[in-house]
Amino acid sequence: GENVEQHPSTLSVQEGDSAVIKCTYSDSASNYFPWYKQELGKGPQLIIDIRSNVGEKKDQRIAVTLNKTAKHFSLHITETQPEDSAVYFCAASTLGAGAGSYQLTFGKGTKLSVIP
Amino acid sequence: KAGVTQTPRYLIKTRGQQVTLSCSPISGHRSVSWYQQTPGQGLQFLFEYFSETQRNKGNFPGRFSGRQFSNSRSEMNVSTLELGDSALYLCASSSGLMGSPLHFGNGTRLTVT
Repeated sequence: GENVEQHPSTLSVQEGDSAVIKCTYSDSASNYFPWYKQELGKGPQLIIDIRSNVGEKKDQRIAVTLNKTAKHFSLHITETQPEDSAVYFCAASTLGAGAGSYQLTFGKGTKLSVIP
Repeated sequence: KAGVTQTPRYLIKTRGQQVTLSCSPISGHRSVSWYQQTPGQGLQFLFEYFSETQRNKGNFPGRFSGRQFSNSRSEMNVSTLELGDSALYLCASSSGLMGSPLHFGNGTRLTVT
């Protein structure tokens, strides 16, 4: 099955600096890669996603890049703010048995701390 | 639009008991997935339901089961609870199409003593 590795497990940055989180996946058939942000006491919130036919996607201060050949993808957060502090998860999708069915395989998460 | 609603937020059960967790998806969403989150194993897929049918299942024992009703609401049941079942159980809904975003609820925190 799919295996997703995520690094680093913890990351501290100064407010205003950039943060980069990297993930690798094992299944070359995976074609959907979302990123989630989880704050304390809440469920994961989708912040950006990318499909395998796209190499890069941006949404304001957040960007994701995908390298299908190397099977890795990364999350970039620029101009970090204290409210960016949270646990971030990458995931990759694996097709399920039923048409349209898929399951997400998650990385173990990165705890990002933005220091004011 | 209301988000995914999970009830209850917290549960404390004794080993050997059974438990039922409930999930109401976002209006219009027909797919409901369940995930278990623990500090050691992270987020792991349990199963997915679409139009009242289980479409996909993860690698969990048969003690974990679920169902979906005609209004897309879903329940998850765990029988013969074990200490290792203590976790945050997350429900996520989507339209059900390939690659459609999953939107998670805030979870049910289950503690087994």
